[in-house]
This record gives sequence, structure tokens and C-alpha cells, in this order.
Amino acid sequence: DIQMTQSPSTLSASVGDRVTITCRASQSISSWLAWYQQKPGKAPKLLIYKASSLESGVPSRFSGSGSGTEFTLTISSLQPDDFATYYCQQYNSYPGWTFGQGTKVEIK
Amino acid sequence: EVQLVESGGGLVQPGGSLRLSCAASGFTVSSNYMSWVRQAPGKGLEWVSVIYSGGSTYYADSVKGRFTISRDNSKNTLYLQMNSLRAEDTAVYYCARGGYCSSTSCPFDYWGQGTLVTVSS
Repeated sequence: DIQMTQSPSTLSASVGDRVTITCRASQSISSWLAWYQQKPGKAPKLLIYKASSLESGVPSRFSGSGSGTEFTLTISSLQPDDFATYYCQQYNSYPGWTFGQGTKVEIK
Repeated sequence: EVQLVESGGGLVQPGGSLRLSCAASGFTVSSNYMSWVRQAPGKGLEWVSVIYSGGSTYYADSVKGRFTISRDNSKNTLYLQMNSLRAEDTAVYYCARGGYCSSTSCPFDYWGQGTLVTVSS
């Protein structure tokens, strides 16, 4: 199985900060990586697919980059609505989708 | 508008069974990859099972032989039959649709609201 490792596990930031979350795959997954946002008590929401493609309706302050084994999710200017937990997911290996352990973005 | 609505969760004793349903609207279940993903309390996301548009099914090792995914095309509904339940199966179970597919796989573009399964005596 492909293992996905996110860092950091928790991130404290202020409104307006630039935030970067890293996701590393245990082997190459090309660009088959998605990012999700999850708020407490809610289902995950797709933000980014194919490493850098923005899902319809997602604000442009979210962006994704990377390929192979290293990927990043960047929020260019953190907004109050962005405090949540973020997960990466590989979909190169099928069936057998795997998620990172999550990164919680907290208010500093 | 695409919608997924899960039902069927609840409290069940270890060794018991439960069937989850996921009613879909706004698209055709049989034309898409459909998966179940679960989240134990306070934990991360774990893929559980998938049914492909062609009908092939696959399972995570943790549930293989105990869970069965299926669909009813006439009701546009996805199911997860869960047998021999264990305490470690306690989680919120989400159904999710595969979207933006490559030639071989998809991320999940729509998710249901989730249904809680608690396995406890």
C-alpha cells in the first residue's frame, strides 16, 4: 500500500497568513493527488484534484502543486472560514485509496 | 443537484450486522465509481470499499470477508452490508462518488453527510 504522510499535524496561524501543508507519498503517484477540507461534524469537501486542479467553486486562494512523491497545499491568505482539517489522498493505486493523517489548521 | 443521503447507522453489539444505505439523486449510481469511506471518532479517513460502474467490487483488508458493497440501480441506491462487526468498526461511514477520473481511478467529488455506526455491548 502507498503511505501518505502529511506535515505538520497541527498548524497555528492567523487570518491573512500564508499557509503551506506538505504531503509525501511512499512511492511515486504521478499527479494523482487530491486535497480535502473537513470541518467538525461535516463530510470532507474536495478542494484540489490531480495535484493542482481547483474544484469548481473553491476560492482561488487555495492552490496545489507537486508531482511524484511530494505535494503541497497552499492557502495564500488564510480566512476565518479556512480553519479546518485538511487531508491529502492518493488515487494512483487502485483500488486502495489512501489518505494522509490530516493537518489541523488552528487559530493562533 | 448531486446529493447523497446515508441511513442505517446505529448501535450494534459485537458480532452483529447492519446495512447502510446511500440514496443518490442528481446522477446515476451505476454510471460512477461509488465508495464507502469511514472515520473513527477523532481519527482520519479510511477507504472501505468501492463498486465500479462495471460492477466489480473491492475492499480494504480490514473489512474483507465481512462487508459487502452493492447497489440497486432501480432505486439509485448504494449499500454496505456489514457483518461480524467489531469495536474497531465504530465510525462515521460516508458514501462518496468518484469524479474527475483518470483512465483508472478517481478522487471523491461528492460525499454524503455520514451515518454513525457504534459497535458496543
